[in-house]
Amino acid sequence: ILNVEQSPQSLHVQEGDSTNFTCSFPSSNFYALHWYRWETAKSPEALFVMTLNGDEKKKGRISATLNTKEGYSYLYIKGSQPEDSATYLCAPRAGTASKLTFGTGTRLQVTL
Amino acid sequence: GAVVSQHPSWVICKSGTSVKIECRSLDFQATTMFWYRQFPKQSLMLMATSNEGSKATYEQGVEKDKFLINHASLTLSTLTVTSAHPEDSSFYICSAPGSGNTIYFGEGSWLTVV
Repeated sequence: ILNVEQSPQSLHVQEGDSTNFTCSFPSSNFYALHWYRWETAKSPEALFVMTLNGDEKKKGRISATLNTKEGYSYLYIKGSQPEDSATYLCAPRAGTASKLTFGTGTRLQVTL
Repeated sequence: GAVVSQHPSWVICKSGTSVKIECRSLDFQATTMFWYRQFPKQSLMLMATSNEGSKATYEQGVEKDKFLINHASLTLSTLTVTSAHPEDSSFYICSAPGSGNTIYFGEGSWLTVV
């Protein structure tokens, strides 16, 4: 079982603030790292799938970086909006199987 | 885009009864699906891998006779919690791999055993 840690556990920011979260995971046997955005009562929404060391991906105001050698990924949100409020999950994959190991997530709350 | 649908969203059952949760891939085929469980303040934990046309693979510590998984078609996997007890009350969610490396999730099912 992979040990996946996400920090912070929760975060409360004001609208317009930029923020970032961390996901750390074992670097051995790395295959891919998934980021999800999960709103209450909805399906987790796939944000990024990252596979290569040094990968940087962007989707609107959200971006992510990946360091597979040291085993961490950062998720950045620029100019947070209330609709960004959600739990952000990271999940590495070891090997080619589609099994994911999740961290406990970072719960983001953006207020006006 | 690809969608995974899970039903029911909420279910309450009496202790000792069985309850079935369905997971469907709506616009793609999935030879493999995954079932996760989440207890309060914990992360999603993989319970088992559902394999179309063959037996499911269970993670360590998950009772296969208690959590019956059937994957009879390329778009449907079911999880049956048999002889449910209050400690089985949890959030259950399924996923299925789509094209590329994307893995799609259902909406999840809240089970309460009373």
